[in-house]
Amino acid sequence: DTGVSQDPRHKITKRGQNVTFRCDPISEHNRLYWYRQTLGQGPEFLTYFQNEAQLEKSRLLSDRFSAERPKGSFSTLEIQRTEQGDSAMYLCASSPGQGAGSPLHFGNGTRLTVT
Amino acid sequence: DQQVKQNSPSLSVQEGRISILNCDYTNSMFDYFLWYKKYPAEGPTFLISISSIKDKNEDGRFTVFLNKSAKHLSLHIVPSQPGDSAVYFCAASEAGGYQKVTFGTGTKLQVIP
Repeated sequence: DTGVSQDPRHKITKRGQNVTFRCDPISEHNRLYWYRQTLGQGPEFLTYFQNEAQLEKSRLLSDRFSAERPKGSFSTLEIQRTEQGDSAMYLCASSPGQGAGSPLHFGNGTRLTVT
Repeated sequence: DQQVKQNSPSLSVQEGRISILNCDYTNSMFDYFLWYKKYPAEGPTFLISISSIKDKNEDGRFTVFLNKSAKHLSLHIVPSQPGDSAVYFCAASEAGGYQKVTFGTGTKLQVIP
């Protein structure tokens, strides 16, 4: 178990630029989640994949956001035309999905700063 | 709407004493409750969980209590250690589905040596 890996750890970008983040889940986990955390808040759900299928998107995920998991392994989260309000920690988590309450395993996140 | 609420943003406890972190929820459909611990610059890590059919779950120094009628749960840490200093998130998920987890805003615990 090498854990959930996220890249990059930090990203600073100018408003209006596009950014893409990558998440490599634990290899045998078929469920993958993206969350966003801002200062003083808990993680907020963005989207969920079961294998390669994106099964739910939060209303927090505007049309500037897109996520993919093309082969059911790694996932990418792209933000187009970034805004200052997009500044946050973006967390990826995976789960084997076995049984109720199977805990999520989080990566260390990508901290995005939009200037 | 904040479905999982942690009303205490911070808590300080002396080493060796008990730490009690509280959490309230509003969604009656939640059937599994979890506590996560987060150190700075790291992602949250799972600590302990409890199913809605139970009222207590214990794992070493950590015990979670659930009061369904009051929609309240608490995490007890006994004895508290300096390494327990972290932010603790209460979280909950609904029955079935894909385990979408809803988090509270967190409580920062400081254990003073």
